Amino acid sequence: AQSVTQLDSQVPVFEEAPVELRCNYSSSVSVYLFWYVQYPNQGLQLLLKYLSGSTLVKGINGFEAEFNKSQTSFHLRKPSVHISDTAEYFCAAHPSNSGGSNYKLTFGKGTLLTVNP
Amino acid sequence: GAGVSQSPRYKVAKRGQDVALRCDPISGHVSLFWYQQALGQGPEFLTYFQNEAQLDKSGLPSDRFFAERPEGSVSTLKIQRTQQEDSAVYLCASSLEVRTPQHFGDGTRLSIL
Repeated sequence: AQSVTQLDSQVPVFEEAPVELRCNYSSSVSVYLFWYVQYPNQGLQLLLKYLSGSTLVKGINGFEAEFNKSQTSFHLRKPSVHISDTAEYFCAAHPSNSGGSNYKLTFGKGTLLTVNP
Repeated sequence: GAGVSQSPRYKVAKRGQDVALRCDPISGHVSLFWYQQALGQGPEFLTYFQNEAQLDKSGLPSDRFFAERPEGSVSTLKIQRTQQEDSAVYLCASSLEVRTPQHFGDGTRLSIL
């Protein structure tokens, strides 16, 4: 079983400022990691994913995340945010091994990013 | 359409009524998932289908919850004798294969009065 912890429930920033949304995971097996974004009254849109290989992953809308195995973290970053980035962001994980429940996404509780002018 | 489609978008029901929520996955996607998202929380896994086979229903909260995907495409989540604690957003996701990224619909917001 795994768990995902998002350390900040809310992050307010000013437009054009950098932002980091923190995510830590706990798992007894290797995991795949994901960041999703949810705009009001919409479903979840995949921002980026880490499956294997390079620990720095680039996604859509200028976001990137870095997988750190020793710190069991997968923090999301953007160097300069826009008003339109205001949304809820979810970190998620599922086991990477074949077999078992290697499809069952476990989500964090979400971080509300509010970008102010 | 190109994405996962869910209907209705909003459903209000009185406590004790039965409800049915529909999910149209992306064409050709073998895997289909249902999640429940309570207010202010992340989604929680309910059930998983591979084609028409329900391979995992470990997340269904009670026997009042039932899901089906009879022809391996459209899926329906049914909740019988609804309770107030069933109020949540129900999200459907599909993926090409079991471990490929999941694509989510916009959800059905269920309110039980």
